[in-house]
Amino acid sequence: ETGVTQSPTHLIKTRGQQVTLRCSSQSGHNTVSWYQQALGQGPQFIFQYYREEENGRGNFPPRFSGLQFPNYSSELNVNALELDDSALYLCASTFGGTDTQYFGPGTRLTVL
Amino acid sequence: GENVEQHPSTLSVQEGDSAVIKCTYSDSASNYFPWYKQELGKRPQLIIDIRSNVGEKKDQRIAVTLNKTAKHFSLHITETQPEDSAVYFCAASRGRGGGADGLTFGKGTHLIIQP
Repeated sequence: ETGVTQSPTHLIKTRGQQVTLRCSSQSGHNTVSWYQQALGQGPQFIFQYYREEENGRGNFPPRFSGLQFPNYSSELNVNALELDDSALYLCASTFGGTDTQYFGPGTRLTVL
Repeated sequence: GENVEQHPSTLSVQEGDSAVIKCTYSDSASNYFPWYKQELGKRPQLIIDIRSNVGEKKDQRIAVTLNKTAKHFSLHITETQPEDSAVYFCAASRGRGGGADGLTFGKGTHLIIQP
């Protein structure tokens, strides 16, 4: 496997709530990217962190935010959940200055 | 921003035959093109990638070709096997580690290998 883990596996929330998803990668993987994958679609880029700073963002509103920690773990926070936020959330880590993104197994979020 | 189109959305081939999936991209600054395989309920797995300074790359039964002028790249799988059945995604990005824009994915191709 890729050495990238995510928690929790599944999560059910109601509209308006807040959620925190977690990702852990290997030593030396100092870039982490987060993606949203709706059913039957390709992953969509949310944002990327490099050495604990956000250095790129896709077309997602500010209620999607993140953090990266020195121990190669990271978080995705989503506030004011909407029904359309229901999706598989994937994190992907990259070693050093390479290109390959290694994906975690994802967190399935359902918003009711 | 970048836009990646992928065709076909579904591809059914006989076991042992070849499969070809095609993608086009819009951003001429994109320089890294990975292909991922995703089985049902599992994570996307990198199967092959190519950078813009290379026209073709091969790894056993899998090959990728890139035409920078036409802005398209293709995945070729030869001697298909039942375990090749999955959804395949192409992607494009600028720079290292996905760059500030991350990976832009196509919508995926559901490859079905008929026994």
